[in-house]
Amino acid sequence: GEDVEQSLFLSVREGDSSVINCTYTDSSSTYLYWYKQEPGAGLQLLTYIFSNMDMKQDQRLTVLLNKKDKHLSLRIADTQTGDSAIYFCASHKDTGRRALTFGSGTRLQVQP
Amino acid sequence: EPEVTQTPSHQVTQMGQEVILRCVPISNHLYFYWYRQILGQKVEFLVSFYNNEISEKSEIFDDQFSVERPDGSNFTLKIRSTKLEDSAMYFCASRDKVQYFGAGTRLSVL
Repeated sequence: GEDVEQSLFLSVREGDSSVINCTYTDSSSTYLYWYKQEPGAGLQLLTYIFSNMDMKQDQRLTVLLNKKDKHLSLRIADTQTGDSAIYFCASHKDTGRRALTFGSGTRLQVQP
Repeated sequence: EPEVTQTPSHQVTQMGQEVILRCVPISNHLYFYWYRQILGQKVEFLVSFYNNEISEKSEIFDDQFSVERPDGSNFTLKIRSTKLEDSAMYFCASRDKVQYFGAGTRLSVL
């Protein structure tokens, strides 16, 4: 089945850019997502990209998709302390149950 | 902004007891899901629900689990006889094009 992998931890200084990386195994994954989880909170949908796209930008967020390497990244520009959270990469196919397969999450720590 | 609502936020129960976790999906969504996240582990799919029936379930979703949409707004997950290993965060999600999640219910089985 699908497997999604992420690095566990990233620390950046306030104002710097953060880049969170994700790899997935199933080349038929057609929808790829980034969710944010703050302590004690649910999963907040940040952004998503379809596999027919290479890049998507939404304000401070830029998602890059390299289908050949099955690699997805989330870049947060001008990172703020409020961006400190766990970021989950997730994917699903366009058919069947469309249930999401999640990575383990990357904990982003923003230092002032 | 519409959101998925889950109650309770925290449920404590004794092993062997039945629990019902409740969710109110976003009103015009037709697809509903339950996921769980055991502490320190990945978020795992349990079950998907469409048109008043289960459309798919994972190997985790065994006979002790059931889902129901008892009226036009609620979507429930029942665990018949809870085990210690059922302790986890349970997330409900609903979908139009993409899935939106609730804040979760933390289930603690003692």
